[in-house]
Amino acid sequence: EAQVTQNPRYLITVTGKKLTVTCSQNMNHEYMSWYRQDPGLGLRQIYYSMNVEVTDKGDVPEGYKVSRKEKRNFPLILESPSPNQTSLYFCASSLLAGTGYGEQYFGPGTRLTVT
Amino acid sequence: SQQGEEDPQALSIQEGENATMNCSYKTSINNLQWYRQNSGRGLVHLILIRSNEREKHSGRLRVTLDTSKKSSSLLITASRAADTASYFCATDARGNNDMRFGAGTRLTVKP
Repeated sequence: EAQVTQNPRYLITVTGKKLTVTCSQNMNHEYMSWYRQDPGLGLRQIYYSMNVEVTDKGDVPEGYKVSRKEKRNFPLILESPSPNQTSLYFCASSLLAGTGYGEQYFGPGTRLTVT
Repeated sequence: SQQGEEDPQALSIQEGENATMNCSYKTSINNLQWYRQNSGRGLVHLILIRSNEREKHSGRLRVTLDTSKKSSSLLITASRAADTASYFCATDARGNNDMRFGAGTRLTVKP
């Protein structure tokens, strides 16, 4: 079954404690992306990757890191989480379809609370 | 900053009625996509329309794109209670590799 998986689904942590949210896709997609969703703000892109070893900043990259060592995995790293990073996080992937992006497949989301 | 803005922010209709949501964006685009999100869950792709297309259909969905006005609309015909969800438009701008989503329209379909 084609899918994007994220782990963990729920996480409560304390300020400053490094954490990693994993994302994996089984569709051989070139493009992967991380978003955060906050009430009233829709989805905002954090980082994206066009292929292995190619990553770029989205709209709100501050406080986050990513890596793309393998095509299927795109972990999101919070080196020193702060309460303003409390949010719902989504990973997504898609093929690069000629001009522009194709349909994005989204993971189920990770609800992060930083106290 | 957000590229797309949906209008209205919230819409409440009776089952069987049509629902129309609009999306406006700021820059030239390659594609525009519409997604649905049930409360707190991952987004589900509904339809993609390319910048050289004006209208597209998929089942009860009809999407239009007006690049001169930088706007798109999503029409859901004969709505059902199961259509209750938030709907988002997303664009990838020409010359830019990022994806931008609007804040969404919250649709409630009453049985």
